[in-house]
Amino acid sequence: EPEVTQTPSHQVTQMGQEVILRCVPISNHLYFYWYRQILGQKVEFLVSFYNNEISEKSEIFDDQFSVERPDGSNFTLKIRSTKLEDSAMYFCASSEAPGQETQYFGPGTRLLVL
Amino acid sequence: AQTVTQSQPEMSVQEAETVTLSCTYDTSESNYYLFWYKQPPSRQMILVIRQEAYKQQNATENRFSVNFQKAAKSFSLKISDSQLGDTAMYFCAFTLQTGNQFYFGTGTSLTVIP
Repeated sequence: EPEVTQTPSHQVTQMGQEVILRCVPISNHLYFYWYRQILGQKVEFLVSFYNNEISEKSEIFDDQFSVERPDGSNFTLKIRSTKLEDSAMYFCASSEAPGQETQYFGPGTRLLVL
Repeated sequence: AQTVTQSQPEMSVQEAETVTLSCTYDTSESNYYLFWYKQPPSRQMILVIRQEAYKQQNATENRFSVNFQKAAKSFSLKISDSQLGDTAMYFCAFTLQTGNQFYFGTGTSLTVIP
C-alpha cells in the first residue's frame, strides 16, 4: 500500500540554522500538507499546498517557513532561521482532494533545535 | 474557532475487552468530517474511521465503531475485542467541508494489556 515517506527521521540543528524537511507524498495525490506537534501538545496545521502554490496557511506559518515542490515527487518544508520553539515533530500529509478527503500522514521528522 | 478535546491522555484495556475513547469538538460550522487516526509506536498515523457529519448513522469499521452525537459535538471511538496491535496513540480530528486543514486533539495513549 502506498505510503507517505519523510526524511530525515531525526534532525538536530543549532539555533539560527536553516533546515529542510523532505517528504514524498503518495504518487497520485495532488494536495500536500505540513503539520507539527510540539511535545505534549496538539498536532497543529501549518500549510496546505496545491498546484504549486499555498492554498491555506496558519498563523504559525510565518516568513521563516516556506514550502516547495522541487520536482514531481518531493515536497519540502524549509525553516530559514530555526528557533528553540521550532523543536517539534513535523508531519507531512497528502490527499487526493481537499476538504473532507482523508489525509495520509508520513512518520514524521523529529526536529530538535539547540 | 475550531477545537478538539480528548480528555483521556492515557487508557488501558485488557486484551479482548472493549474500550471507548472520548472526543469532543467545537465548531460553528454545520458541514464537516470527523476522523480517528491511530499512531502505533514509531509509526505513522493511519486512518481508523471516518464520519460525515451530515450522516446520522454511526460509522463502523470491523472492530472499530463511533458514537457520533452531533448536538453534543461528541465523537467517541469504541474498540471491541481489543488486540495487542491496538496499542497506539489515538487522535481525534475533524475538517470543515470548506477548508483544507485538519484540527486535532492531543491524543489518547491506549495500551492493550495481555
